[in-house]
Order: sequence, then C-alpha cells, then structure tokens
Amino acid sequence: DIQMTQSPSSVSASVGDRVTVTCRAGQDISTWLSWYQQKPGKAPKLLIYAASSLLSGVSSRFSGSGSGTDFTLTISNLQPEDSATYYCQQTNSFPGTFGQGTRLEIK
Amino acid sequence: EVQLLESGGALVQPGGSLRLSCAASGFTYSNYAMSWVRQAPGKGLEWVSAISGRGGDTYYGDSVKGRFTISRDNSKNTLSLQMNSLRAEDTAMYYCTFRGTSGRGYWGQGTLVSVSS
Repeated sequence: DIQMTQSPSSVSASVGDRVTVTCRAGQDISTWLSWYQQKPGKAPKLLIYAASSLLSGVSSRFSGSGSGTDFTLTISNLQPEDSATYYCQQTNSFPGTFGQGTRLEIK
Repeated sequence: EVQLLESGGALVQPGGSLRLSCAASGFTYSNYAMSWVRQAPGKGLEWVSAISGRGGDTYYGDSVKGRFTISRDNSKNTLSLQMNSLRAEDTAMYYCTFRGTSGRGYWGQGTLVSVSS
C-alpha cells in the first residue's frame, strides 16, 4: 500500500495570508494526486486533480504542484470561507490512500 | 452530467448485515473502476474497497477484508457493497466514487451507516 504523509495536521492563518499543505507519497505516483476540501457535515469537495489541474469553478486562489512523491497545495489570499479540513489522496493504485488531513483555521 | 446516488444506509446491530447500493449515470459505467470510501464521525477519509470496470478484480482495505464484498452490475449501472459482521467501528458515511480518465474524482453525497445496539 502507498502511504500518504500529509503535513501540517493543523494550521492557523489570517485573512490574506498564503498557506501551504504538503503531501508525500511512499512511492512514485506520477501526478495521480487529488486535493479535497471538507467542511463540517459536508461531503468532500474536489479542488485539484492530477496534482495541478484546478477543477472548473474552484477559486484560482487554490493551486497544486508536484510529481513523483512530493506534492503541495497552496491557498493564496486566504478568505474566511477557506476554513476547512484538506485531504490529499493518491489515485495511482488501490488502495486509494488518503493523507491524514490538515485542519485550516482562519484567525 | 455524472451522478452517483448511494442508498441503503441504516441503523444496524453489531454483528448484523447491510447492503449499500450506488446508482451511476452520466458516464460509460463499465469503463471505470469504482470504489467505496468511508468517513467515521470526526475522523479522516478511509478507502474501503474497489472493483475493476468489468468486475473481475476486487480490492479491500485491511479493516474490512473478509467481511465486506463489493460487486457491480454493468447492465444496471449499479455498484453494491455487502457488509457482514458489522462492528461499531464500521459506523460512518459511505461514499461511492470513481476516478475519471483525466484523474478527476467523482463522488456521491454518501449514505450513513450506524452500527449500534
């Protein structure tokens, strides 16, 4: 199984800041990496797929990068509505393992 | 438009059984492997099981292996998850998902399974 190590587990930042979340895969997954945003009581919402492709309709303040084993989700110009938990998932092979999640708090 | 609609979630006693279903539409269903993902209350996302497009290959997470069985009916565009010997730790929202050709993931809205006496 491919392990996904996500960091940090939580982060607090202010409106207008930039935040970076990282995800490291236990082996090469090319660009088969997705990022999800989840708010309490809601289903996960896809933000980024194929490591850097922004889903249509998602704010351009979200961006993804990386390939192989190291990936990054960057949220620029933080807004109050960005408060959520963020997960990475590798879709290279089964099981489609997830990172542990990063809880983002807006100060 | 791709749609995934889960059903079958319920309150069940420990040791009981439950069958979840997912109705798929808006894409060529038989072309894609399908997965189940779950999320226990207050916990992270956990991949549960997957099945290949034609149904010949199945995959299970360690926590459900031997208790859950995934299957699909490509003539009806449906995915199923037979859950036996249910435990309290199986309590979760269960999502039907698949990865599109481009890598984009598609998810349903989920169905809730509660295991409690």
